[in-house]
Amino acid sequence: QKEVEQDPGPLSVPEGAIVSLNCTYSNSAFQYFMWYRQYSRKGPELLMYTYSSGNKEDGRFTAQVDKSSKYISLFIRDSQPSDSATYLCAMKAAGNKLTFGGGTRVLVKP
Amino acid sequence: DTAVSQTPKYLVTQMGNDKSIKCEQNLGHDTMYWYKQDSKKFLKIMFSYNNKELIINETVPNRFSPKSPDKAHLNLHINSLELGDSAVYFCASSQDTGDYGYTFGSGTRLTVV
Repeated sequence: QKEVEQDPGPLSVPEGAIVSLNCTYSNSAFQYFMWYRQYSRKGPELLMYTYSSGNKEDGRFTAQVDKSSKYISLFIRDSQPSDSATYLCAMKAAGNKLTFGGGTRVLVKP
Repeated sequence: DTAVSQTPKYLVTQMGNDKSIKCEQNLGHDTMYWYKQDSKKFLKIMFSYNNKELIINETVPNRFSPKSPDKAHLNLHINSLELGDSAVYFCASSQDTGDYGYTFGSGTRLTVV
């Protein structure tokens, strides 16, 4: 079993819909939680990060962390075709390496 | 100005060959990484260097050897290439080992035939 599990999708939504992504993890030492976005043939880019449990909002993006359930989520409101990409969750314990989920491919249809 | 640049972008080679991938970052970061992304998009860390010192060496075949001549450069040499080495290799950097905001290069797509 992988340390971080993520549904590979694809997740297809109409433009303007809310995109809901999530990851589960098994390592209780993880304290830092991130979402990266990866466009086709490009490297991942950092989208959001949160420390420990709680919510964080940045424009159309909201990240949630529930450490008690070992579950993190990313919501994208008013989705646009330009949001079509693979979204990777990533986590790390203090001073340790970043561990990635397998990514969820999202397709926003105009 | 590209923050993390990798060369080459594409590499097609025969089994048994030896090849190198180069990476350079101009962000002034202290830590650099090599990640391998397989066909299922799963990113797995291979190596990490902090200020030219190897700090992470995951379970990777000995055929893979990283080298960091200075903190701005991290190269990856692969001996005796095998079909299973086909993947996209990403170089990344971060401010230090505690940083979570990695900056990735665009990747090197390696195909072994």
